[in-house]
Amino acid sequence: AQSVTQLGSHVSVSEGALVLLRCNYSSSVPPYLFWYVQYPNQGLQLLLKYTTGATLVKGINGFEAEFKKSETSFHLTKPSAHMSDAAEYFCAVSAPGGSYIPTFGRGTSLIVHP
Amino acid sequence: EPEVTQTPSHQVTQMGQEVILRCVPISNHLYFYWYRQILGQKVEFLVSFYNNEISEKSEIFDDQFSVERPDGSNFTLKIRSTKLEDSAMYFCATGLAGASYEQYFGPGTRLTVT
Repeated sequence: AQSVTQLGSHVSVSEGALVLLRCNYSSSVPPYLFWYVQYPNQGLQLLLKYTTGATLVKGINGFEAEFKKSETSFHLTKPSAHMSDAAEYFCAVSAPGGSYIPTFGRGTSLIVHP
Repeated sequence: EPEVTQTPSHQVTQMGQEVILRCVPISNHLYFYWYRQILGQKVEFLVSFYNNEISEKSEIFDDQFSVERPDGSNFTLKIRSTKLEDSAMYFCATGLAGASYEQYFGPGTRLTVT
C-alpha cells in the first residue's frame, strides 16, 4: 500500500519569494512520484515526475522537486513565485511493478500575494 | 496541444436518477481512468479501462457504477441511482501505453445530487 501526506492545506507566499510545498510518501517499493497542478476550473496538469535516475527533477514553469529516500520526501520548490502560480498542487505516488494507479495527497492551495 | 475533454462541465440531478458522464480521450491513448474528488477531499481513483475492459477498480467502484466506450471514442461513466454522497468532481484521465505512466486529465464534471 502507498500513501501521500501533503503538509499544509494552504501555503501563502509573496510574489518573488521562494515556494516550498511539502510532500511525504510511504511505499513498500521504490516509488514513482508526481506533482500535478490544478488551475481553477481545469483538470490536473503534470508538473514533474520522478521515476528513476537523477533525484532532482525539473519540471515546467520553473518548478523542481528532489526525491529524498532517507526522508521519504518529494518536496516541490520554485525559487521565485509568480502570481500565475496560484493554484492547487497535488503530490501523488505510484508503485511500479504492481498497480500504477497513483495515490494522491489532499492537495495544497498556493496563494501568491502581490 | 491535444487534450482530454469532458461533458457536461456541471450536472445537477435528483437523488435516485441515473447520470452519464462523458470523456473524449486524446486520440492515440489506450488507457482510460476515472477519478473523483469530493469537495475538500483527496482525488480518489475509481476505475481504469484498457482494451475494452476494466483493468483495475477501487472499492468505491461498486455495482452502482459502470464504464464503457460505446463508439470507440467516447469513454463514459454511468452512475445508477445517484445518492447525495455521489456529489463530487469527476475527472477523466487518459494515458499512452508505455513507461511514462503519465496521465492526462480532463477539466472534470461537477456532479451535484439534490
